[in-house]
Amino acid sequence: DVKVTQSSRYLVKRTGEKVFLECVQDMDHENMFWYRQDPGLGLRLIYFSYDVKMKEKGDIPEGYSVSREKKERFSLILESASTNQTSMYLCASSLRASGGAGETQYFGPGTRLLVL
Amino acid sequence: GQSLEQPSEVTAVEGAIVQINCTYQTSGFYGLSWYQQHDGGAPTFLSYNALDGLEETGRFSSFLSRSDSYGYLLLQELQMKDSASYFCAVGLGGFKTIFGAGTRLFVKA
Repeated sequence: DVKVTQSSRYLVKRTGEKVFLECVQDMDHENMFWYRQDPGLGLRLIYFSYDVKMKEKGDIPEGYSVSREKKERFSLILESASTNQTSMYLCASSLRASGGAGETQYFGPGTRLLVL
Repeated sequence: GQSLEQPSEVTAVEGAIVQINCTYQTSGFYGLSWYQQHDGGAPTFLSYNALDGLEETGRFSSFLSRSDSYGYLLLQELQMKDSASYFCAVGLGGFKTIFGAGTRLFVKA
C-alpha cells in the first residue's frame, strides 16, 4: 500500500511566522502535490512537482513556496503566514502524469493549520 | 475557466441507491475520477473513467459521457459507513487535476 505521511496533523502559528509542512511518500512516485482544502471550495492545487528539484505553480501559489530535494519528500513553505492561510493542507503523490491509469492520487492525512 | 459542478449535499436511507452527478467544463480532459473523504480523513480513490460507459467496483459504479461532459457515481446498498464527502476530479493533462467542491452524503437509518 502507498503511504503518504505528513509531519503534523495540527499546527497553530502566528501571523508572520515561517511555516514548514513536510510530506513523505514511500512508493517511489514521480509526482507530488500540495493542495489546500476549504469548505465549499474543494481541493485547490498550490504547487506540484514532477521530479526532484522540479516544481510548477498550481492555481493558488501566492504566499507559498515548495522544495523537493529528494524524490520521496515534498515540502510546502509559507514564507510569512497570514490568517487567510488558515486551512487544511493535503499532500498527494501519483505514479505518473495525469492522463493515464496512473493518475490516481494518494493523499496524506492532512495538516490543519490555524494562523492567529 | 475550469469548473466542475456537483450537488453540495445528498441524503439517502440505508440500503438505498444514490447517484451523485458531476458535470464539467474544462480545457482538457484525460479522465474523470471519484474520491471519498470521511470527516477528518484523507481523500481516497474510488474509481476512474477515461472512456464512455460504466465502471463497476463492488457496490460502487461510475459512469462517464464525454459528449455530455457528465459523469456520475452510483452507490448501491448504502451503508452508514458510506456517509462521507465525494469529490469528482478531472485530469487535465500535464500533471494537473481539478477537483469539484464535493458532495456530502448523509446516510440515515
